[in-house]
Amino acid sequence: DIVMTQSPDSLAVSLGERATINCKSSQSVLYSSNNKNYLAWYQQKPGQPPKLLIYWASTRESGVPDRFSGSGSGTDFTLTISSLQAEDVAVYYCQQYYSTPKDFGPGTRVDIK
Amino acid sequence: EVQLVQSGAEVKKPGESLKISCKGSGYSFTNYWIGWVRQMPGKGLEWMGVIYPDDSRTTYSPSFQGQVTFSADKSVSTAYLQWSTLKSSDTAMYYCAISEKEAAGRGDLWGQGTLVTVSS
Repeated sequence: DIVMTQSPDSLAVSLGERATINCKSSQSVLYSSNNKNYLAWYQQKPGQPPKLLIYWASTRESGVPDRFSGSGSGTDFTLTISSLQAEDVAVYYCQQYYSTPKDFGPGTRVDIK
Repeated sequence: EVQLVQSGAEVKKPGESLKISCKGSGYSFTNYWIGWVRQMPGKGLEWMGVIYPDDSRTTYSPSFQGQVTFSADKSVSTAYLQWSTLKSSDTAMYYCAISEKEAAGRGDLWGQGTLVTVSS
């Protein structure tokens, strides 16, 4: 099984400042035949289902603000919120969908400082 | 509008059976994977597995294999998650989510969740 880890567990950032969340997979999630990283990022606000933000490691889902960006390849990935807004307070999860079980990371809580 | 609408909250006793549903609309039901995700109270997301409604192919996480059953009825565009014998540890929110064919198990769009409470 591919084990997903995230760091930090939580972070507090001032409004308008950058937030960076890291995700690491225990094995590469880069599929060589199509050169795609099978890595997604989700946002979950309290009392709501998760929402897809980023897929293929760096493709922003339609309607997601451009302050959210994803980067990385192979085993190391980053979600960046370039200018934190109040509505971005949430838990963020990464997920690999390369191989079964397609597990999520443990989550990173983002708050306002 | 693409939507997944899940059945309502359930309160059951240990040992009872349960089947919850996830109804898709606004898209071609048979051409997208439907996955199930568990979220225990105050905890993270756990991937349970997927079903492809066109042919009912299923893939289960080893953690859930033999514990639950996925099914789908194309005629009513509905997927199901079923337990034959509930345990108190099954108490959780359960989400369904669809994903495109190339990305089985990803959560492109999510249902609102079904809260299952198992208590004597």
